[in-house]
Amino acid sequence: EAGVTQFPSHSVIEKGQTVTLRCDPISGHDNLYWYRRVMGKEIKFLLHFVKESKQDESGMPNNRFLAERTGGTYSTLKVQPAELEDSGVYFCASSLQRGAGELFFGEGSRLTVL
Amino acid sequence: GQQVMQIPQYQHVQEGEDFTTYCNSSTTLSNIQWYKQRPGGHPVFLIQLVKSGEVKKQKRLTFQFGEAKKNSSLHITATQTTDVGTYFCAGPIQGGSEKLVFGKGTKLTVNP
Repeated sequence: EAGVTQFPSHSVIEKGQTVTLRCDPISGHDNLYWYRRVMGKEIKFLLHFVKESKQDESGMPNNRFLAERTGGTYSTLKVQPAELEDSGVYFCASSLQRGAGELFFGEGSRLTVL
Repeated sequence: GQQVMQIPQYQHVQEGEDFTTYCNSSTTLSNIQWYKQRPGGHPVFLIQLVKSGEVKKQKRLTFQFGEAKKNSSLHITATQTTDVGTYFCAGPIQGGSEKLVFGKGTKLTVNP
């Protein structure tokens, strides 16, 4: 069974540019999460989808971040325009059951904003 | 807001020594999870503890959940070089949310 896959693995962009990160969850996992880890800090929650619906987006930093999950399969996270403080590793995770059970993380997308 | 504190931030041991990381929450947790992230890798689920005072073992790893369900620990007996990585604890936000609050992690290095 394929795990959670993320693309790209690393992106280097300049301040003001746009980046779109993609996540393919494990097949059959309705729950999809985005987390971010800034260097040396904790892994922070961004948002949670149940199928195509945003269940909780309280962790999204500001309106420069837009997440979608059309059709309830893969998800995208777009940052537009990117700022220096957006640099970090963006992890996608999926889970089969609700209720904060085990999360299966992808390898992460490392974003560097210059 | 709800916080999960984890200490130490870094731990360097000689192979064969024991290692412990501690996790403290500012609020009572319904459960606590532990994850391991190898260098350059992604967090991998280790275990979930639910009951007050629960102790679970996985080979050389022992996980404890405090009686008040506000603290937890992970102890590794006789570390090996394969134990290298960052260990994170995480607990759900109060109120039934599925949002996990992670500690900052303890980065373990093992000298062979």
